Amino acid sequence: DAGITQSPRYKITETGRQVTLMCHQTWSHSYMFWYRQDLGHGLRLIYYSAAADITDKGEVPDGYVVSRSKTENFPLTLESATRSQTSVYFCASREDSEYSGNTIYFGEGSWLTVV
Amino acid sequence: GENVEQHPSTLSVQEGDSAVIKCTYSDSASNYFPWYKQELGKGPQLIIDIRSNVGEKKDQRIAVTLNKTAKHFSLHITETQPEDSAVYFCALTTDSWGKLQFGAGTQVVVTP
Repeated sequence: DAGITQSPRYKITETGRQVTLMCHQTWSHSYMFWYRQDLGHGLRLIYYSAAADITDKGEVPDGYVVSRSKTENFPLTLESATRSQTSVYFCASREDSEYSGNTIYFGEGSWLTVV
Repeated sequence: GENVEQHPSTLSVQEGDSAVIKCTYSDSASNYFPWYKQELGKGPQLIIDIRSNVGEKKDQRIAVTLNKTAKHFSLHITETQPEDSAVYFCALTTDSWGKLQFGAGTQVVVTP
């Protein structure tokens, strides 16, 4: 049971470059989320998706783009990376089921440094 | 968005003692309150959750209490062990999408 897989786990990139963080889940969960984690801020929602081709902005979407062409994949793209986007990024998913409630499962994180 | 305040930011306890972390919120429409544990270098892991129609839930050494009137919920860890050392986050949702709003986290250190 692989669950949620994020790649790359660690990435260093330069300011202005485009970076894509991949997220793949094996459960066929409907809902998927991207959070960023910064010291003192906890986790903040960047984008979320309720199904393939349905996405919406979260609390801190500026500078990010998402897509969801397949249920199992939810890539996050930094169009032109800035130093303020240095962070740990977590992908998460939730089953759309009255029995599972709201339980959200997180991936192991992608550590991104923008220099 | 919803404001979730979490206290304390750090908590040091002796092994065997209890630890309590408290979160307060403002939106009375909040209906689901999970707690996550995050170990160094890993993603957050759900340890316990409670829904708005329940006042208390227990799972072995971990319990969560919810006071809807006062708008706060707390995590209680009894008989703490060194492996309980981690960062703990409270969270909540107010919508059907299940989008979580997180507290800032509490670093718990259990000393032998």
